[in-house]
Amino acid sequence: AQSVSQHNHHVILSEAASLELGCNYSYGGTVNLFWYVQYPGQHLQLLLKYFSGDPLVKGIKGFEAEFIKSKFSFNLRKPSVQWSDTAEYFCAVNTPGGYNKLIFGAGTRLAVHP
Amino acid sequence: DSGVTQTPKHLITATGQRVTLRCSPRSGDLSVYWYQQSLDQGLQFLIHYYNGEERAKGNILERFSAQQFPDLHSELNLSSLELGDSALYFCASSVGSGGLSTDTQYFGPGTRLTVL
Repeated sequence: AQSVSQHNHHVILSEAASLELGCNYSYGGTVNLFWYVQYPGQHLQLLLKYFSGDPLVKGIKGFEAEFIKSKFSFNLRKPSVQWSDTAEYFCAVNTPGGYNKLIFGAGTRLAVHP
Repeated sequence: DSGVTQTPKHLITATGQRVTLRCSPRSGDLSVYWYQQSLDQGLQFLIHYYNGEERAKGNILERFSAQQFPDLHSELNLSSLELGDSALYFCASSVGSGGLSTDTQYFGPGTRLTVL
């Protein structure tokens, strides 16, 4: 069965620090990859997605992610975080034929201090 | 705002009871997905409906059921509730049937269920 691992459960950064959140998935075939963000008290919002093509994907709010097939990874990055980036970040995967069912990682809770 | 609406926002009930959660998809979306978010299990896929028909089932308990109506809104019914059913229940919608997994899902605000 497919699974998604997010290694960092809690991350604390100061404003302007760089961010990298790890995501690894276990599935040998073609996958689609997503990062969602959940701000406190809000719903999940799509940050970015990768289906095919350029493995470096740019999303909203200055986020980007890089798909490295050989490492089964899809890490999320942002060069300079802001206090408003405080949220929980979820990596998710689905597979062709999986009826679009999203499999989520456990999430990473990011706290950014001013 | 994703365009997906869910009611109620909060629900507090007792063990053994039955509740119904409601979801209205984005305009034009034919698929509705239900997910459960709990502290111990994380975010888990429950069930997917497309244009009124069930398309896929995930880790959904037999005490839970769902349906999608002709106007495309969906209801998730939870019965014989247990303490462990306390969770945030999200609905998501997408345009397509789900067979094409590049179909992006947009999530609603969720219903927080507390079972006492």
